[in-house]
Amino acid sequence: NAGVTQTPKFQVLKTGQSMTLQCAQDMNHEYMSWYRQDPGMGLRLIHYSVGAGITDQGEVPNGYNVSRSTTEDFPLRLLSAAPSQTSVYFCASSGLDRNNSPLHFGNGTRLTVT
Amino acid sequence: KQEVTQIPAALSVPEGENLVLNCSFTDSAIYNLQWFRQDPGKGLTSLLLIQSSQREQTSGRLNASLDKSSGRSTLYIAASQPGDSATYLCAVKGGSEKLVFGKGTKLTVNP
Repeated sequence: NAGVTQTPKFQVLKTGQSMTLQCAQDMNHEYMSWYRQDPGMGLRLIHYSVGAGITDQGEVPNGYNVSRSTTEDFPLRLLSAAPSQTSVYFCASSGLDRNNSPLHFGNGTRLTVT
Repeated sequence: KQEVTQIPAALSVPEGENLVLNCSFTDSAIYNLQWFRQDPGKGLTSLLLIQSSQREQTSGRLNASLDKSSGRSTLYIAASQPGDSATYLCAVKGGSEKLVFGKGTKLTVNP
């Protein structure tokens, strides 16, 4: 049972480059989300999806795009990387009853933008 | 705006001690509260979820309580072990889609 899988684990980008952080879950969860975790700031929601074809913005969406073409996958795209996007990124998912289903996290992608 | 506070930011105890971690939140209109554990370099692992209608949840040596009216939750760890060393985060879910997280309490259990 893999749960939530994120790739890559580490990535270094130069300012202006673009990349996609991958996230896949095998629990048939409808709800998926992306958080970033920064020292002193805690976890902040970037984007989320309540099902295939549906996405919405979270607290800090600027500079990021998402799409949800399947239930399993929820990639996060950085359009033009900036040093302020240096962070640890976590993908998370939960079941249909989001109010009573625990959130499952991947192990994160540590991104450095130089 | 919901705010979640965890005090203390760090806690060090000897092995075998019972301990309590605290979480407070400003808006009592929540659907649930979750406690997570995070090990260094890893993601968050859900420990306990308390629905807004519940008062407590238990799993093994862990017991979490919720007092919505006062905006407080506690995580009680019995007979602590060095393997319990980690950062513990609480998060509350209100009407919006996001969980609001506290900044965590870093727990060190010394052998």
